[in-house]
Amino acid sequence: DGGITQSPKYLFRKEGQNVTLSCEQNLNHDAMYWYRQDPGQGLRLIYYSQIVNDFQKGDIAEGYSVSREKKESFPLTVTSAQKNPTAFYLCASSITTDTDTQYFGPGTRLTVL
Amino acid sequence: AQRVTQPEKLLSVFKGAPVELKCNYSYSGSPELFWYVQYSRQRLQLLLRHISRESIKGFTADLNKGETSFHLKKPFAQEEDSAMYYCALRQGGYQKVTFGIGTKLQVIP
Repeated sequence: DGGITQSPKYLFRKEGQNVTLSCEQNLNHDAMYWYRQDPGQGLRLIYYSQIVNDFQKGDIAEGYSVSREKKESFPLTVTSAQKNPTAFYLCASSITTDTDTQYFGPGTRLTVL
Repeated sequence: AQRVTQPEKLLSVFKGAPVELKCNYSYSGSPELFWYVQYSRQRLQLLLRHISRESIKGFTADLNKGETSFHLKKPFAQEEDSAMYYCALRQGGYQKVTFGIGTKLQVIP
């Protein structure tokens, strides 16, 4: 599996600290996404970006922030304002066509202590 | 707002039995429907999409606009089909994708 990477695989932080999750892709995809995966709730969209320097809020953007300064990178910051940050975070990318599919990274499991 | 419903969190079937994973959606426009699969210790990946009208690993799914459904079917389940399956919907022409909560398929030997 290559193409889209997330690091680290496991991340621990103390409550009240901001933390940034990395997502990199070398697939030359324009669109990138961040999802949160919780048991019994499936995948919920946090933020997505269709092009460099542009991004939109998803369904659960509160307490999160993103940037898209480079096509290859779409880091997600989990801020102290996020009330329940412990979760599994998935990054994905896709080509911007009408029929594209999403390619997912391996995920980062964040635990806030 | 678009919505995807997968009514079963867990579906257990015996090897060789038929499988049907249900997916219903609500969306007023022209949807694009997908099935994604996540095998144990592997990444989430695309299984199939309705516009391709293809069969992947023996699975098929037909979009029924009248019933707003996109059920995933396979005539004979195999042990290697055990995985988490997610139905997803995308608004035509937009990048935002909505996922269902997922159904865990367990194939019993």
